[in-house]
Amino acid sequence: NAGVTQTPKFRVLKTGQSMTLLCAQDMNHEYMYWYRQDPGMGLRLIHYSVGEGTTAKGEVPDGYNVSRLKKQNFLLGLESAAPSQTSVYFCASSYSPIWPLAGGPRGNEQFFGPGTRLTVL
Amino acid sequence: GESVGLHLPTLSVQEGDNSIINCAYSNSASDYFIWYKQESGKGPQFIIDIRSNMDKRQGQRVTVLLNKTVKHLSLQIAATQPGDSAVYFCAALRRVNSGYSTLTFGKGTMLLVSP
Repeated sequence: NAGVTQTPKFRVLKTGQSMTLLCAQDMNHEYMYWYRQDPGMGLRLIHYSVGEGTTAKGEVPDGYNVSRLKKQNFLLGLESAAPSQTSVYFCASSYSPIWPLAGGPRGNEQFFGPGTRLTVL
Repeated sequence: GESVGLHLPTLSVQEGDNSIINCAYSNSASDYFIWYKQESGKGPQFIIDIRSNMDKRQGQRVTVLLNKTVKHLSLQIAATQPGDSAVYFCAALRRVNSGYSTLTFGKGTMLLVSP
């Protein structure tokens, strides 16, 4: 049981290049999320998915696209990378949506991947 | 919208001391909060959560206190150990128009534990 995995771990891009970050989870979770983490900014939600084939915008969606073709995978795409997208990207998944009444004392727990460090030159 | 902040960017304590990490939130409608721990080079890990109908919740060596009057919550770690050194984030529930909910994270406090 690997939990949440992310590939690649590190990547350096030039401005204007494109790339896709892959997130995979083996916990049969319905809900998946992409965050970015910048120094002094905490984590900010980019996009999320509430099930296979469905995605929604988060707090900072501009410049990113996502797809959830399979339940276990959530892809984050950068079509034309910009230096402002230099960040550490975290994927997370959860069994239930973040909801106070979701089942069990840890029913809302989001499981995070190890992160992808992306630098755009 | 929601904003979640932490009072101190860095907290240094001695091993064995109790640690208190504070967090303030802006949206009085927030009714659910989570504390996360992030070790260097790793993703955040769930520590403890609390609903707005509670003012205190205890876990193993951790306690979260919620004061809805002043929109403040704190994480208390008893008998702090070197392994507790990490960045700690509070997060508040934010309900979105689609009916689902997402989390708004604070900026984080780095806890440094010296032996």
